Amino acid sequence: AQTVTQSQPEMSVQEAETVTLSCTYDTSESDYYLFWYKQPPSRQMILVIRQEAYKQQNATENRFSVNFQKAAKSFSLKISDSQLGDAAMYFCAYRSAGAGEGGSEKLVFGKGTKLTVNP
Amino acid sequence: GAVVSQHPSWVICKSGTSVKIECRSLDFQATTMFWYRQFPKQSLMLMATSNEGSKATYEQGVEKDKFLINHASLTLSTLTVTSAHPEDSSFYICSAVIWGRGGQETQYFGPGTRLLVL
Repeated sequence: AQTVTQSQPEMSVQEAETVTLSCTYDTSESDYYLFWYKQPPSRQMILVIRQEAYKQQNATENRFSVNFQKAAKSFSLKISDSQLGDAAMYFCAYRSAGAGEGGSEKLVFGKGTKLTVNP
Repeated sequence: GAVVSQHPSWVICKSGTSVKIECRSLDFQATTMFWYRQFPKQSLMLMATSNEGSKATYEQGVEKDKFLINHASLTLSTLTVTSAHPEDSSFYICSAVIWGRGGQETQYFGPGTRLLVL
C-alpha cells in the first residue's frame, strides 16, 4: 500500500518570504499523481497544485511550485512571496494512475503541515 | 473550478438518532464521490467510495450498516449515520471526481459537515 509522509507538523514563514513544505511517499507504481491540497480555517479543501509522475517538468501555479524528485520519491511544495492568506493546513496526497475514465482511484493523504504566516 | 456543496454544514443530534448528509456536484456530473472523516488536527480518513448506480465500496474498518451511502444520481450522494453515538461526532467531507481533458481526474471537495452527537 502507498504511504505519504509529511515530516513537518508545523512551519512558519514571514510574509513575503519563501517556504518549502516537505513530502515523501512510498510506492512501487511507476505511474501516479501527486497533489498538494490546502485546508484553511474554514476547513474547505482546496487543490493547490498537481503533478503527473510521467512528467519530468515540475508543476507551477503562480506563487506555488513543486520540486518533484521521482527517484527519491520526494514532492516538496514551495510557496513564494508568502501571504497571510496562505496560512492553512497543507496536505500532500498520492493517487494511483488507475484504469482511466470510469474508474476513480482514492487519494492517500499525509498527516499535514500547519503553515503559519507571520506579518 | 468545480463546485461541490454539502448540506447541512452543521448538525447536532441526540444519541440514537440517524443523520443524513448530502453531497452535491453543482455544475458537473460525478460518477464517483468519496466520503471522508476528519478528526480535529488530523488528516482526512477515507470512509468509502460512492459510485452512481452501484453499491459503495467501504474502507477496512468502516461499518457499512452504520454509515449508509447512496449515490442516487450523477450529482447527489448521501451519507446516513444510523443510530448515531457521541463517538460518531466528527467532521465529514465529501469529494466529487471530475474528468478533464486527456483523462485528467481531479477531486473537488465539499465544505464539510460538522456532526455533534449528544
